[in-house]
Amino acid sequence: EAGVVQSPRYKIIEKKQPVAFWCNPISGHNTLYWYLQNLGQGPELLIRYENEEAVDDSQLPKDRFSAERLKGVDSTLKIQPAELGDSAVYLCASSLGSVAAPDTQYFGPGTRLTVL
Amino acid sequence: KQEVTQIPAALSVPEGENLVLNCSFTDSAIYNLQWFRQDPGKGLTSLLLIQSSQREQTSGRLNASLDKSSGRSTLYIAASQPGDSATYLCAAPSGTYKYIFGTGTRLKVLA
Repeated sequence: EAGVVQSPRYKIIEKKQPVAFWCNPISGHNTLYWYLQNLGQGPELLIRYENEEAVDDSQLPKDRFSAERLKGVDSTLKIQPAELGDSAVYLCASSLGSVAAPDTQYFGPGTRLTVL
Repeated sequence: KQEVTQIPAALSVPEGENLVLNCSFTDSAIYNLQWFRQDPGKGLTSLLLIQSSQREQTSGRLNASLDKSSGRSTLYIAASQPGDSATYLCAAPSGTYKYIFGTGTRLKVLA
C-alpha cells in the first residue's frame, strides 16, 4: 500500500513569490493534517481536515497561507507571498479518523522550503 | 494548554546498550500518546500508540510506558543497534484531535 505522497520534495524560491505544496493521503484516510517543522523542533499543526472540511485551522496564518482539500482526497497548501521566515519543512499526514480519539497518523516525507 | 518536553535532547551510546528516552506532558487528560521516529530529511514514522487505558505497549525491541498521573511516558529500546540512530519524538493530544509534539531526542548508536 502506498504511503502519504508529497510533492515537491524540495523547493527554493525568492521571497514574495508564491509556492504550493501537494499531498495525496493514504487511500481511505478521512483525516488529513498539514504540519510545519522548523529545524530542531517538533511538527506544529497548521490545519486539519475531516474529509473536505477544515475543522481546525486556528494555527494557519490566514493572511498568506491557504489550503484546500477538494473531494476530500488530495490537498494543497499555498503560501502567497512567501517570507524568509517560512523556510521550513512542510509535512502532510493522514489517519483513518476516529470519532472517539485521535488515532495513528502516517506522515509523508515532507517538502523542504527555502526562501531566499 | 498541553506542553511536551523530552529529555535528553541528544544521546550517544555504544551498540548493544539498553536505553530509555523520556517524555513529559502537562495536561494528563489525554486519550493516548504516540512515539515517532524521524530519520534525517524524512517524515515521521509511527512507532507506538498507547491508549490511556494501557500502561505499556510493545513492538519488537521497543517498549513504551504511560503514567498519566505523573504526566510521563518512557520509550525503552533494548539491545540498541546502529540502525536505531534517529530522532525520537513523542506527541500528546491537546483537546480532542490536536497533537503537541516534543522537540525530540536525537539518538546515535555507535558501532
